[in-house]
Amino acid sequence: GAGVSQSPSNKVTEKGKDVELRCDPISGHTALYWYRQSLGQGLEFLIYFQGNSAPDKSGLPSDRFSAERTGGSVSTLTIQRTQQEDSAVYLCASSLARTSGARQETQYFGPGTRLLVL
Amino acid sequence: GDSVTQMEGPVTLSEEAFLTINCTYTATGYPSLFWYVQYPGEGLQLLLKATKADDKGSNKGFEATYRKETTSFHLEKGSVQVSDSAVYFCALTPSGGSYIPTFGRGTSLIVHP
Repeated sequence: GAGVSQSPSNKVTEKGKDVELRCDPISGHTALYWYRQSLGQGLEFLIYFQGNSAPDKSGLPSDRFSAERTGGSVSTLTIQRTQQEDSAVYLCASSLARTSGARQETQYFGPGTRLLVL
Repeated sequence: GDSVTQMEGPVTLSEEAFLTINCTYTATGYPSLFWYVQYPGEGLQLLLKATKADDKGSNKGFEATYRKETTSFHLEKGSVQVSDSAVYFCALTPSGGSYIPTFGRGTSLIVHP
């Protein structure tokens, strides 16, 4: 079946511009995560959506970053007034998070969006 | 807060060599532990997991045992192949409260023919 998809796969933008990154999770997955992967670094958690609950935004690095998830499915990560330090690979993951055992659930990752801010 | 520490890479091996990638963690209680693999140009995918102490996860010849006493989850494979060349990430999800996973920095493995 279809996995997690992300678009665009690559994005080059100029400093100060806004960008939108899209994530299509696996159908039926209620949990959705955004991460940032910088060169030589691990995955940095950004934001977590679970069903209709308020998202956990504790990982967003600044108020220039925001995300929404419409209808419990597609999610968009928006970065306003991009800076060069925002250059990274942005990964989206989804999981079938049931009430019990949710912490044991496997995350399914998309291929990522490689963002370059000039 | 929670943390995951992996050995730094790159790890360079010849085909059929034995592989160990060390992973230790800091977390309260009994987190769930995971190894993910990222092949060149692809997203991360689950390699194996263990959800309670002394459990052994295994897949594709890779194994890791959840050791509570040493807070470790080392990844091993008896005979690596060129196709195993990838970046390996150790991760945990906490046992209570937050659902946010913590990932290690990743260890690059390069296997030569």
